[in-house]
Amino acid sequence: RKEVEQDPGPFNVPEGATVAFNCTYSNSASQSFFWYRQDCRKEPKLLMSVYSSGNEDGRFTAQLNRASQYISLLIRDSKLSDSATYLCVVDDSGGYQKVTFGIGTKLQVIP
Amino acid sequence: DVKVTQSSRYLVKRTGEKVFLECVQDMDHENMFWYRQDPGLGLRLIYFSYDVKMKEKGDIPEGYSVSREKKERFSLILESASTNQTSMYLCASSKTGMDSPLHFGNGTRLTVT
Repeated sequence: RKEVEQDPGPFNVPEGATVAFNCTYSNSASQSFFWYRQDCRKEPKLLMSVYSSGNEDGRFTAQLNRASQYISLLIRDSKLSDSATYLCVVDDSGGYQKVTFGIGTKLQVIP
Repeated sequence: DVKVTQSSRYLVKRTGEKVFLECVQDMDHENMFWYRQDPGLGLRLIYFSYDVKMKEKGDIPEGYSVSREKKERFSLILESASTNQTSMYLCASSKTGMDSPLHFGNGTRLTVT
């Protein structure tokens, strides 16, 4: 079983739609969780950290469910510029950033 | 803004050559990492370092070595390049801390022929 699992997609959604991605992790001792965004032929960049209480940044909402060991990312009112691959990242190294990446979920927002 | 610079964007080498990939960061980060990214496999950790002259194996260290003689520089070495090492190589750095993000360089696309 992979340590961090994501549906690779692609998710093709129309502009303005709401889309949600889930990611499951296998290590119940994992401490920190992140979503990164990677544009085509570019490096990954931090989108947001994921906190136990859930957190929101504009149109983006991240949730953590420790009991079921998954994290989620919700994007509201999708824009063309949201088209990218979204990487789920889990850290169980106590803050040393020796993280595990999911394979990524590809999102394509269509006009 | 944090800057992580990789020495080459594209590199073509022959089988058996020794290859050096250089990475420099300018924010005094303790931690540095080398990943490779392949379609269908995602990012996989090759080696990482938490301090100068310190190195730890990641998930796929075979065929690679690293060097960290200065805090800002982390080098990846392919001792004898093989075709299965054709990949995108990404260097990253971070501070130590629970919410410290990884900052990536823009990658080196290595082709081994």
